[in-house]
Amino acid sequence: DAKTTQPPSMDCAEGRAANLPCNHSTISGNEYVYWYRQIHSQGPQYIIHGLKNNETNEMASLIITEDRKSSTLILPHATLRDTAVYYCIVRKYGNQFYFGTGTSLTVIP
Amino acid sequence: GAGVSQSPSNKVTEKGKDVELRCDPISGHTALYWYRQRLGQGLEFLIYFQGNSAPDKSGLPSDRFSAERTGESVSTLTIQRTQQEDSAVYLCASSLVVLGSWLSETQYFGPGTRLLVL
Repeated sequence: DAKTTQPPSMDCAEGRAANLPCNHSTISGNEYVYWYRQIHSQGPQYIIHGLKNNETNEMASLIITEDRKSSTLILPHATLRDTAVYYCIVRKYGNQFYFGTGTSLTVIP
Repeated sequence: GAGVSQSPSNKVTEKGKDVELRCDPISGHTALYWYRQRLGQGLEFLIYFQGNSAPDKSGLPSDRFSAERTGESVSTLTIQRTQQEDSAVYLCASSLVVLGSWLSETQYFGPGTRLLVL
């Protein structure tokens, strides 16, 4: 089964870019990469997703390597409100999302 | 437009009692999911409803867990004879599945129900 690996925790200075890596070396050709985040005591929030091209929206940018075996979520100017657990998810068969334990990002003032 | 809502937001129950958790998806969303998140852990898929198709129950941990959904509206997750290990946050999500593009579907999550079994 396709699986993702993320560092358990990261720190980032406020105002700097936060770069969150994710490895998904067993990804299949028709699987998308999704990123969600979960702020303490809230439900997960969708951030961005992509297949093979880099994607950007108002929240973040997603960089996917050419071989699709890894990706990086970039928060261009991290704020204290970006402190959360960030989940990198590869879409499996059917419509299920399998969440790992994610990366706990702490934005430091 | 309201998002996904869940009730109750918190539930404390005694071991052995039954509990019902409710999810109101975003209007018009055809797919509905239930997840469980234990303290300090990631999300664990439980069950998935899509339109009138038979639900995917592959994530239900035991026969004490069941869920129903009426049409494309409210869903209820029932846990019978609760155990202490059932203590967790139960999250519901909904999405709009467009034929031919299910791979890029985005789920919208509710705030969750925090269940504590004493």
